[in-house]
Formats: sequence, C-alpha cells, structure tokens
Amino acid sequence: DTAVSQTPKYLVTQMGNDKSIKCEQNLGHDTMYWYKQDSKKFLKIMFSYNNKELIINETVPNRFSPKSPDKAHLNLHINSLELGDSAVYFCASSLQGLAGTDTQYFGPGTRLTVL
Amino acid sequence: DAKTTQPNSMESNEEEPVHLPCNHSTISGTDYIHWYRQLPSQGPEYVIHGLTSNVNNRMASLAIAEDRKSSTLILHRATLRDAAVYYCILMRQGAQKLVFGQGTRLTINP
Repeated sequence: DTAVSQTPKYLVTQMGNDKSIKCEQNLGHDTMYWYKQDSKKFLKIMFSYNNKELIINETVPNRFSPKSPDKAHLNLHINSLELGDSAVYFCASSLQGLAGTDTQYFGPGTRLTVL
Repeated sequence: DAKTTQPNSMESNEEEPVHLPCNHSTISGTDYIHWYRQLPSQGPEYVIHGLTSNVNNRMASLAIAEDRKSSTLILHRATLRDAAVYYCILMRQGAQKLVFGQGTRLTINP
C-alpha cells in the first residue's frame, strides 16, 4: 500500500517534447512537493502546494507547470523539454508543511532522460 | 536557509555503531534538526528529528550538543541496508521546504 506513488518510473523522450509526471499520496496530507535531483545528486525543491494552492516556486523555468487537481494529487507538466531537464524528479508530501516538526514522505522518483 | 556541514563520506563495519556528525553553527532558536537518508535508487526517507533534547526512535538516535551548533546521528548497530547518503537538514518553523546539502555517503563493510 504505497504512501506516495509516482508514474511513470522512467521516462525517455526527445528534446522539444511535452511530458507529464503524476504523483498521488494516500496519507491524507495537506502539502505536496516536487524536488529535482540532478546528475551530481543534488536534491533541490521546485514547488510546494498546500491544499491545492501553490506555496513555493523556486525560480523554476515556466516550462514547468505543476497542477494539483485535489489534495491527494500533484502532477508536473514540462513543456519543450531540454537536455538539462534530465534528472530524477521526486514527489513528496507532508501533513501541514508549516511546522518545523513536519516530516516529508517521498515517492520512488521518476527518472527523466531527454535525448 | 541555515547551513549544515557534513563529511562527504564515512565507512563502518557491519554490526558496529556509526556516529554521523553534522555542524550547524548558524542554527537559530526555531530550527529543528532533521535527518533523512537516501538509499540507492530510492527517494529520501525520514530518519529522525529533534530540537534541543536527544531523541531516540526505532531507526536511530539523535544527540544534540548543548549549544545546538552540532548534532550526531547514531546508528546503534549498522547493517548493510544502512548504506545510504545521510542528510542533516535544518527545518525552520514555517519554512515548508527541505534544503538538502551534499550529505554523507555511508558505506558499510560486511
């Protein structure tokens, strides 16, 4: 019974294409996140949503558009894919997102390769 | 975002205790100290967190210095499955994000 799930697990696509990654959590959490882990393994937050509202947008190119249809889902759509978008994308969720005691639960990641 | 400093890598033997240090000299009073780990090819996983007092859970213990400028994650009896990158992160009240550093890559020898 997966807490945070992402699809697809692997995504290989050509430059210039548009693609989406889906994320779902069944933990009843209010806050969801997208993180990017590049080839040097640095993990960096991209977005966070609290109750379907965008809270954090960390200077991510506007080719990346998150969409939260409901509290349990946060999808990531990427337009005009570039080589530099190749990375592993992790979705995460937490109960509230505001408390210093809040812990985040991560999905298994989606490895995106842009050719 | 307050910064943390960790050794790039550490090595230990199976069934021995492991002490992973973290320095956070610019920590503020409302920063919680969180530890996450990332096993190979997996997403990060919460390990433990604390504010001032030492903390224990089923995975590990967290020892926090009295001045809170450093902390140590203790794995009491390492197994091969504990081989991972361990991240020490300061989480401020209201921050809503984890700021990951480079972490410590822990290798466990059989």
